[in-house]
Amino acid sequence: SQTIHQWPATLVQPVGSPLSLECTVEGTSNPNLYWYRQAAGRGLQLLFYSVGIGQISSEVPQNLSASRPQDRQFILSSKKLLLSDSGFYLCAWSVMGSTEAFFGQGTRLTVV
Amino acid sequence: EDQVTQSPEALRLQEGESSSLNCSYTVSGLRGLFWYRQDPGKGPEFLFTLYSAGEEKEKERLKATLTKKESFLHITAPKPEDSATYLCAVQAGSSNTGKLIFGQGTTLQVKP
Repeated sequence: SQTIHQWPATLVQPVGSPLSLECTVEGTSNPNLYWYRQAAGRGLQLLFYSVGIGQISSEVPQNLSASRPQDRQFILSSKKLLLSDSGFYLCAWSVMGSTEAFFGQGTRLTVV
Repeated sequence: EDQVTQSPEALRLQEGESSSLNCSYTVSGLRGLFWYRQDPGKGPEFLFTLYSAGEEKEKERLKATLTKKESFLHITAPKPEDSATYLCAVQAGSSNTGKLIFGQGTTLQVKP
């Protein structure tokens, strides 16, 4: 069966520090991968998606970037965090050509 | 613009008191409508996918229905363990990337 791992679960970082969140999927090949952000009291907003290694599409302009160095690994990064980057970050995957997306357990990021 | 609106924002029920959650959507060609359950501090858990008007899906005390403009999540004789935030999302027909557009969610509290 397929599983998705996302870490760390919580993170407190100072303004201006770098960020690296990692997500890996097991049990499937060539998945579509996604990074969403959930701000308090708001719905999930898609940040990035990837349909293959090295292929990254950005949905909204922001202070973050994403990379996919391996088929089942998706990384969310920032060189310098802003207060507004605080939120709940969720990684998700779907099978190519399918519609359902399955989510990881999320990372609660607090920028102080 | 593709949009999803959920109502009510919050719902309090007594155990055994049945009710419905609403998800209204505007999308350029519906590829799928999805219901997720999200517990506090966790990632969304997939519940249902609905593809066309008139379709219904059931799982335990939950039943999801779909019309051309909205979806309902009916909860029959809820129990305290059904307390969670329920998220609705749509995927537009023009999307071949699996991008989901989410509503704000309905937070359900079931009291014993």
